[in-house]
Amino acid sequence: EAGVAQSPRYKIIEKRQSVAFWCNPISGHATLYWYQQILGQGPKLLIQFQNNGVVDDSQLPKDRFSAERLKGVDSTLKIQPAKLEDSAVYLCASSLGDRGQNYGYTFGSGTRLTVV
Amino acid sequence: AQSVTQLGSHVSVSEGALVLLRCNYSSSVPPYLFWYVQYPNQGLQLLLKYTTGATLVKGINGFEAEFKKSETSFHLTKPSAHMSDAAEYFCAVRNAGNNRKLIWGLGTSLAVNP
Repeated sequence: EAGVAQSPRYKIIEKRQSVAFWCNPISGHATLYWYQQILGQGPKLLIQFQNNGVVDDSQLPKDRFSAERLKGVDSTLKIQPAKLEDSAVYLCASSLGDRGQNYGYTFGSGTRLTVV
Repeated sequence: AQSVTQLGSHVSVSEGALVLLRCNYSSSVPPYLFWYVQYPNQGLQLLLKYTTGATLVKGINGFEAEFKKSETSFHLTKPSAHMSDAAEYFCAVRNAGNNRKLIWGLGTSLAVNP
């Protein structure tokens, strides 16, 4: 089966600019996650979708970050405006159901964002 | 609150030597435990997991881990390191209760020397 697709792989922007990331999960996976991984740290969950509904966005900086999964399939994560501290790898993952965190889930290759 | 501690941010071994990556957790209820590997410029890949049952868990690429409740540990081992094992390894814990978030360790970078 095809894996989790993410694009772009790399992005460099200036602070205060906007940026968007795209994720296409594994076909049939109802649950989609966006993680932020800062260099030297473990992943941090930003938002979890179950189909097109938000299950958990408690750690999403909502003043600048937004995410949507309108048709319950692919998803976009946006940052507007970006700050230097947003430099990180943004990982998308998907799982069959919301038990993904019980049994592990599949990650994409990530988007490496550098804010200068 | 749950937490994960990975002892040693960098581990270096010789090719063919034993790999031991340490992970200790804190959890007030039986945990679900995971090890993930991240190769350079790639996403995270599940190596193995413990949910219930046998405490010695075998994963991909010859890795295994043993859940020791008395020591609150879930150390990752491999008898003989390969050059291709060089990567970042993350331990994670999920509480078996209603809070379903994964709590991640800071990672251990494994270097394998020829």
